[in-house]
Amino acid sequence: AQSVTQLDSQVPVFEEAPVELRCNYSSSVSVYLFWYVQYPNQGLQLLLKYLSGSTLVKGINGFEAEFNKSQTSFHLRKPSVHISDTAEYFCAVSMVTGNQFYFGTGTSLTVIP
Amino acid sequence: GAGVSQTPSNKVTEKGKYVELRCDPISGHTALYWYRQSLGQGPEFLIYFQGTGAADDSGLPNDRFFAVRPEGSVSTLKIQRTERGDSAVYLCASSQGQGYTDTQYFGPGTRLTVL
Repeated sequence: AQSVTQLDSQVPVFEEAPVELRCNYSSSVSVYLFWYVQYPNQGLQLLLKYLSGSTLVKGINGFEAEFNKSQTSFHLRKPSVHISDTAEYFCAVSMVTGNQFYFGTGTSLTVIP
Repeated sequence: GAGVSQTPSNKVTEKGKYVELRCDPISGHTALYWYRQSLGQGPEFLIYFQGTGAADDSGLPNDRFFAVRPEGSVSTLKIQRTERGDSAVYLCASSQGQGYTDTQYFGPGTRLTVL
């Protein structure tokens, strides 16, 4: 069975400070990994995804994530956050050979002016 | 261009009633997904269509839930004999290709409330 754990349900951070949102997964097979963001009153949109190749993935709005197979993690980082980054962030995983898509419970990022 | 649209945006019904939720995917997208998002949770996979057929319906919670996509575009999620536990936001997403390597584009969701 596959599962996704987002260790922090809420992360407050001051504007221009760095942030890391943690994601761990469990799977017995190879996976694809994703981060989606949901801004207030908007639908989910893709931030970035890891399919293969370089373990450091860059996404939109200055976010990046690193796939660590040994630690089964895919943490999301941004070196300097902006007020507009306030949103709900979801980590997700799918099996390379499967159809299903598993989301974590989400991390609410609040950027404080 | 137009994104994924879902109607209605809100639906309030009484326990035991039947409801239909509609999803219009992005034109040309062959893959379509339904998810359910309960308060404080991430989206939960329900069903995945590739074209007109349900390629994976293993996420449907029970036989009260059914979905169709007869012409390979618009999809309808049908819930019979609704229960209070069905209250959630139902999300639809579409993507261009097959499988989960492609970016999914999500609609705004339908908020279902069962009284």
